[in-house]
Amino acid sequence: GAGVSQTPSNKVTEKGKYVELRCDPISGHTALYWYRQSLGQGPEFLIYFQGTGAADDSGLPNDRFFAVRPEGSVSTLKIQRTERGDSAVYLCASSRDGRRVGYTFGSGTRLTVV
Amino acid sequence: AQKVTQAQTEISVVEKEDVTLDCVYETRDTTYYLFWYKQPPSGELVFLIRRNSFDEQNEISGRYSWNFQKSTSSFNFTITASQVVDSAVYFCALSESFNAGGTSYGKLTFGQGTILTVHP
Repeated sequence: GAGVSQTPSNKVTEKGKYVELRCDPISGHTALYWYRQSLGQGPEFLIYFQGTGAADDSGLPNDRFFAVRPEGSVSTLKIQRTERGDSAVYLCASSRDGRRVGYTFGSGTRLTVV
Repeated sequence: AQKVTQAQTEISVVEKEDVTLDCVYETRDTTYYLFWYKQPPSGELVFLIRRNSFDEQNEISGRYSWNFQKSTSSFNFTITASQVVDSAVYFCALSESFNAGGTSYGKLTFGQGTILTVHP
């Protein structure tokens, strides 16, 4: 597609539930990133995919967070047993090859855990 | 460790005033990239500029200009003759090189952002 698409744009869930957030990167972009932006803060790195593999998942806060990219295109960020502290905007970005230039961000998914 | 500091949390100006947003960074890399992004109320991050660490020339794009000073690790952003449509949160970001599985890649470290409000 022309840009990075994220769905849903908004998600409200109850504490303890499981959620999935989807990112559809720009066609042909092999590098994909997930960031989390809490209220009043800058985005913080969660995970980086090069192709199908997670090359760097050092930003995932704990084992309740997991992300996949099975075919090297669409990625899904999965959060188990959600907590109120998980409430944030989750941003996805893609780039042609991950070499520090040309990041394109999606509009994000605003997750609210009640 | 890489770090980006935007000391100004909020700035408020009146239309047509010039405004400068400060950004200071820390990095261990000799080669890195610096970015500025704009985040309007819609939430999307809009790319404004990317600067290579080897290129210290200042850049001007319309009403926007950037001052990169490697000696002070600063990459400041000036908006000339501000307009109401410039109201947004502005983020400075740093991209360093990392290696995993034999592949070099970058990831962004953002500052906390500066909320700019331009009043008519």
